[in-house]
This record gives sequence, C-alpha cells and structure tokens, in this order.
Amino acid sequence: DTAVSQTPKYLVTQMGNDKSIKCEQNLGHDTMYWYKQDSKKFLKIMFSYNNKELIINETVPNRFSPKSPDKAHLNLHINSLELGDSAVYFCASSPGGVLSYEQYFGPGTRLTVT
Amino acid sequence: GNSVTQMEGPVTLSEEAFLTINCTYTATGYPSLFWYVQYPGEGLQLLLKATKADDKGSNKGFEATYRKETTSFHLEKGSVQVSDSAVYFCALTPRANAGKSTFGDGTTLTVKP
Repeated sequence: DTAVSQTPKYLVTQMGNDKSIKCEQNLGHDTMYWYKQDSKKFLKIMFSYNNKELIINETVPNRFSPKSPDKAHLNLHINSLELGDSAVYFCASSPGGVLSYEQYFGPGTRLTVT
Repeated sequence: GNSVTQMEGPVTLSEEAFLTINCTYTATGYPSLFWYVQYPGEGLQLLLKATKADDKGSNKGFEATYRKETTSFHLEKGSVQVSDSAVYFCALTPRANAGKSTFGDGTTLTVKP
C-alpha cells in the first residue's frame, strides 16, 4: 500500500495550459504539503494544509492554487503554465503532534512545460 | 527566520570510506531536526531524526547528534556503500508551527566501488 501517492508521475504540456496534480495519503495525517524541486535539487515548500486549512503560503505565484477536498487529499492546480514551472513537484504529509513532524513524501510528478 | 546550511556537494567517496555531511541551523527555540535521503528518481525518505538536545538519531548505519551548543546536526556513517549514493537533506521543524519546515540545499553523495 502506497502511503503518499501522486498522479500523474510525468506531465508534459505546453505553455499557457492549465493542469492539475493529485495527491492522496492513506496515513491519517493531519498536515499535507506541496514542494517544488528544481534541476539543482533545491527543495522549496509551496503550501501546507492542516485539516483543510491553509497554514503557510510561501511566495509562489497565484497561478498555483492548492485544493483540499478532504483531509486525505491535497491537489495542486496550475494555471497559465510557464517554462519556469518545469520541475519535480512533491506532495508530503506529516502526523503532527508536539515533537515529531517527520514528513512522508510521494514519488513526485515531473512537470515539463514546452 | 529559520535556516539550514549544509555542506556543499557533490561528495565522492570510495566504498567503505567514512562519511561526514555537515549541517548547521539557525532557529528560535528547540526545533526537531531531520535527515532525509533521496535516491535517484524517488521522493525523499526520512533517514533519521532527533527531537531534543543531545539526542542521537540513527538508522541504516547513519548517525547524527543534536548539538544545541554548536547548532549542528552532522550526518556520519563509518563505512559507506555504493547503495548509499543519493542526495541527503538536512531539515528542521519548529515546535511552534508544524507546517513550517526548512530544508537545506541537499548534498549529493556518490560512492564508487
């Protein structure tokens, strides 16, 4: 059983298109995240959701919007795609609690914008 | 704000060599500290963690000790294998905000036979 899953694994699209990436976790975790990893492997947090409430929102363009239909899902919608959006996008979740906060990552979605 | 600084890579070692990847952090209070590993083509996996000063996290032969006095969490392994080739990320999460994790820039390790 996959703990954190993402679809699709690969996404190739043209500039200007709108696309979505889906994420699901079956761990019962309270918090979910979206990260962007560039070609140099730098990891940047984009959003996190805690019980369907956005709790952080880094300085990402408003073309990116997270949507959480329920606690187990956090989807990422991207409008008007640009070349610079090409990257690997990771979904993650964490159990919360006071001391822990380790994160469980999905396998990633490689987005290529042409 | 919080920050994590990792030793720059890439790091190339021969099999059975000793590994150290340095990590220092800046944060208020007492964050939890983590090392994650990313194998080629995969997502990040938790390698080890420590939640308070002087704690030692360990897993798969890797170790790191939470040093509050030097604000460090260096990763070590006594004898690396080819299968340890991966990108290693140091990270912290403050206790006051579960959603506010900070990751280092990652260190790429290549182990040659």
